[in-house]
This record gives sequence, structure tokens and C-alpha cells, in this order.
Amino acid sequence: ETGVTQSPTHLIKTRGQQVTLRCSSQSGHNTVSWYQQALGQGPQFIFQYYREEENGRGNFPPRFSGLQFPNYSSELNVNALELDDSALYLCASSWRATGGTQYFGPGTRLTVL
Amino acid sequence: QQPVQSPQAVILREGEDAVINCSSSKALYSVHWYRQKHGEAPVFLMILLKGGEQKGHEKISASFNEKKQQSSLYLTASQLSYSGTYFCGTGHAGGTSYGKLTFGQGTILTVHP
Repeated sequence: ETGVTQSPTHLIKTRGQQVTLRCSSQSGHNTVSWYQQALGQGPQFIFQYYREEENGRGNFPPRFSGLQFPNYSSELNVNALELDDSALYLCASSWRATGGTQYFGPGTRLTVL
Repeated sequence: QQPVQSPQAVILREGEDAVINCSSSKALYSVHWYRQKHGEAPVFLMILLKGGEQKGHEKISASFNEKKQQSSLYLTASQLSYSGTYFCGTGHAGGTSYGKLTFGQGTILTVHP
């Protein structure tokens, strides 16, 4: 059984650019949640995908968007990058959307210059 | 609203006990506890669901007081490996809120030999 994986590990972009981050969910899990973690803070919920549909969104602007594929892997896209987008982006997979244990991947460290 | 964790930081010697508290202003459906070491992803410790029992394994246990909207994490006979930042993530009833975890600001635990 493989755990949650994310790619890339690190990424450096400049303001205004666009970025795509990827997440493969743990085997048997159909739900992926994305979080943004700024330095010294707890993770902040961006959105959740359940069976390829968005199933809840946090307080993030529309330039944060996502997708979930039939194999339950997921992408997070961020357009028009801003300096404040620099953070660790974590995805977590679970076997159900309601109250299920969320297992985190290793994260993608995004730096926006 | 973000749950409040206390204390913000705690320093222990090996073998000592610690309690970390998590308090929410909203009715809780679930509480999820994680430990995160520097530069790594949060690692799942345990989940407590509304109406469920106190959970625990080995020297780490947790309680969930639904009336007070609080949860506490108990670390007994601490080991060096317990060092890290502990986060509680809360889930709330209603629509898509079940799967949206709201994390506290974290409690930094340091265990010295």
C-alpha cells in the first residue's frame, strides 16, 4: 500500500506566473483535501475533492482551482501568483469525505519571488 | 473560526507527562490530532468523533468533551521522539464542513534528555 505522494518537492516561481501541483492519493482513498501552510502556522483548508467533484472550499480566491481524476489523484492550480502564496502546500487523502482520517503527503514547498 | 490550542509551547525532560488542549467556539463533530516535525508533513496521531470514546495507544491518548467543545491530548512518559509541533484539526457538522479541517496554531513540544 503506497502512501500519499506529491510532486514536485520544491518549486520557485515569480509573481504573476501560474503553477500546478500534483497529488496521488493513498490506495483505496477517494477524497483529496488541499491545505496551505505558511511558516509557523497550522495548515489552512483550500478545498476538498470527493469523487471528482469539489466538496467544500475554504477562504481562498478563485485563482486557486483544482481537479480530481478518475484514479482519485488531484491537481492544485494557482494562477497569477502573489508573494503571499509562498508556503508549503499539503494534500491529504481519506477514504471518505465525512469525518474520515486525513493522511498527509510530504508537501510541495512553493517560493514566489 | 480557528480552534485555540494551549499551551503554545512546552518543554519537558524525558519521562515527564504533558497535556495539550484544543478549544473550539463552534460545535465539534470531530477532532484530529497530528504531530509535525520540522520540514516534514503532519503525521496522524488519532481521531475522535462526536459520540465516540476516548482514544489512545501506548503512551498517547486523547479525550473529547462535546459539551465544552474541547479536546485534550495526553502524552505520558515522554520520549525524545515526541518532540515536534502538535496540531488539532476540527471538523464541524453540516454540509461540506465535515471534511474541512480547521487547524489550531500548534503547540511546540520539546523533550530534552
